[in-house]
Amino acid sequence: EVQLVESGGGLVQPGGSLRLSCAVSGFTFSSYAMSWVRQAPGKGLEWVSGLSGNGGSTYYADSVKGRFTISRDNSKNTLYLQMNSLRAEDTALYYCAKDTGNTAMVFQFDYWGQGTLVTVYS
Amino acid sequence: SSELTQDPAVSVALGQTVRITCQGDSLRSYYASWYQQKPGQAPVLVIYGKNNRPSGIPDRFSGSSSGNTASLTITGAQAEDEADYYCNSRDSSGNPHVVFGGGTKLTVL
Repeated sequence: EVQLVESGGGLVQPGGSLRLSCAVSGFTFSSYAMSWVRQAPGKGLEWVSGLSGNGGSTYYADSVKGRFTISRDNSKNTLYLQMNSLRAEDTALYYCAKDTGNTAMVFQFDYWGQGTLVTVYS
Repeated sequence: SSELTQDPAVSVALGQTVRITCQGDSLRSYYASWYQQKPGQAPVLVIYGKNNRPSGIPDRFSGSSSGNTASLTITGAQAEDEADYYCNSRDSSGNPHVVFGGGTKLTVL
């Protein structure tokens, strides 16, 4: 059974940092691209960042480029999102999602975690 | 970057057929995927590629595309289909980005 479990969310002040983790099981993690997708309270889905199976290619939405860093540790079956210089508009439920693409991103997501909540408050 | 436009809300009578649409320039180059999201739950992929359903998705869900418009059709809508539906595709503006539609709230009457 495929499982994705996010952690690391919490309350942080503007300008602060958080590191999200997503522990996965049930599939060969290194063979698949992964992404982070967020959803602000009562709003729609917004793609944040993605990376290839070997971590060699990374992609970012314009809204987070230069502030967020996506990475993965294939030996630990874990995806990460380092978030720096956080802003109020980054407040959202952050989901990790498995891409259907083998190694490279195909930009469609067949498994999602339950999300971890990030709240940026002043 | 590209945008995908969806109607905010659509309703359908129980057992009838409903089409949810998604418009955007990126759909001329890339297929849309469709996700169902019920309150308090993570999104679930229901259609991807030309018209593919993941295992466990009922065959009443189907997808199609024409020009800059992708459609999700539910044939014989059930009460449990009431949810928010989102489309997404790769951004066609040159950046390897992902774009999502704003979502459509489906009400089953």
